[in-house]
Amino acid sequence: GENVEQHPSTLSVQEGDSAVIKCTYSDSASNYFPWYKQELGKGPQLIIDIRSNVGEKKDQRIAVTLNKTAKHFSLHITETQPEDSAVYFCAAWAGYSTLTFGKGTMLLVSP
Amino acid sequence: EAQVTQNPRYLITVTGKKLTVTCSQNMNHEYMSWYRQDPGLGLRQIYYSMNVEVTDKGDVPEGYKVSRKEKRNFPLILESPSPNQTSLYFCASSLYIGDFSFFGQGTRLTVV
Repeated sequence: GENVEQHPSTLSVQEGDSAVIKCTYSDSASNYFPWYKQELGKGPQLIIDIRSNVGEKKDQRIAVTLNKTAKHFSLHITETQPEDSAVYFCAAWAGYSTLTFGKGTMLLVSP
Repeated sequence: EAQVTQNPRYLITVTGKKLTVTCSQNMNHEYMSWYRQDPGLGLRQIYYSMNVEVTDKGDVPEGYKVSRKEKRNFPLILESPSPNQTSLYFCASSLYIGDFSFFGQGTRLTVV
């Protein structure tokens, strides 16, 4: 089955810096890669996603890149703000099986 | 407001006492699923349903049952809970498989 590795497990940045979270996946058939933000006491919230037919997608301060050859994808957050502090999860879906999540990255943005 | 509602939010129970966690969505979504979240393990899918009366196992189905008699509801049933099922549970729904948009607020279950 699919295996998703996520790094780093914790990330501390200063407000205004950029943050990058990286994930690798094992199943070359995976074609959908969502990212979720989970705040304390809440369920995961889909913040951005990318499908295998594109290499990059942006939404304001958030961007996701995908390298299908290397089987890795990354989340980029620019101009970080304290409210970006949360746990972020990547995931991968191959179209015929379950959605497989990474183990999460705790992002802490210090003012 | 579009939402996925889980009940209860918190539950403490004893080993072996059957329990049900309810999940309801108001978006007429066809696809629903259950996940458990454990420290250091991320979210793992328990069961999913692609439509009424259609359910299938996820990655960690042992010890759980589900049913999908109506489109809006997808209850998670623990027939004989054990302490290793202590976890944070999330229900999710989406319009179609391949769109994993909406998660509930979670149910924190403790089995003693």
